[in-house]
Amino acid sequence: AQSVTQLGSHVSVSEGALVLLRCNYSSSVPPYLFWYVQYPNQGLQLLLKYTSAATLVKGINGFEAEFKKSETSFHLTKPSAHMSDAAEYFCAVSDRGTGNTGKLIFGQGTTLQVKP
Amino acid sequence: DGGITQSPKYLFRKEGQNVTLSCEQNLNHDAMYWYRQDPGQGLRLIYYSQIVNDFQKGDIAEGYSVSREKKESFPLTVTSAQKNPTAFYLCASSPGTGVDSPLHFGNGTRLTVT
Repeated sequence: AQSVTQLGSHVSVSEGALVLLRCNYSSSVPPYLFWYVQYPNQGLQLLLKYTSAATLVKGINGFEAEFKKSETSFHLTKPSAHMSDAAEYFCAVSDRGTGNTGKLIFGQGTTLQVKP
Repeated sequence: DGGITQSPKYLFRKEGQNVTLSCEQNLNHDAMYWYRQDPGQGLRLIYYSQIVNDFQKGDIAEGYSVSREKKESFPLTVTSAQKNPTAFYLCASSPGTGVDSPLHFGNGTRLTVT
């Protein structure tokens, strides 16, 4: 079975500072991993996805994530935080336990606060 | 513009009443999903459908029902048997069911049951 764990339910950074949101996965098969962002009272928007083509994945809004098999991690980073980055972020892994269903398994989410 | 429409955005019901949440997509996607979101718990899968006239239970299907009579529509009914129905409900779709297919989400319906 697959699972993801997001370390830290709340992260606070100053505007212009590095953003680092942590995600660790557990999977007995090669994982397919995703990061989503959710603004208040809205749905989720895809930031980026890892599908084994490259370990460093670039996404929208200046975000990127690096897949590290040895650490079972897929942390999300952005060099310089902007006020508009304040939102909730979810890491997810494809559920490959029951065949190809397209289901995603989500982490608990990390709320990013950006201080001026 | 193509997308997923969930309605209404806010919904209030009295305990003991069934309520149906609407989800419509014009993306021509085959697969559709319902997730429930509670604070600090991430998203949990309620039901999903890979094709018209077929659907499967997710991890927390008890107290919910769905139908998939049309490709574009996947309504969710929250029945009176659902013990804790107050939550944010998200509908999603995907062009396929491959492991690398991302989900596209609607803007959600916030259901409050008192």
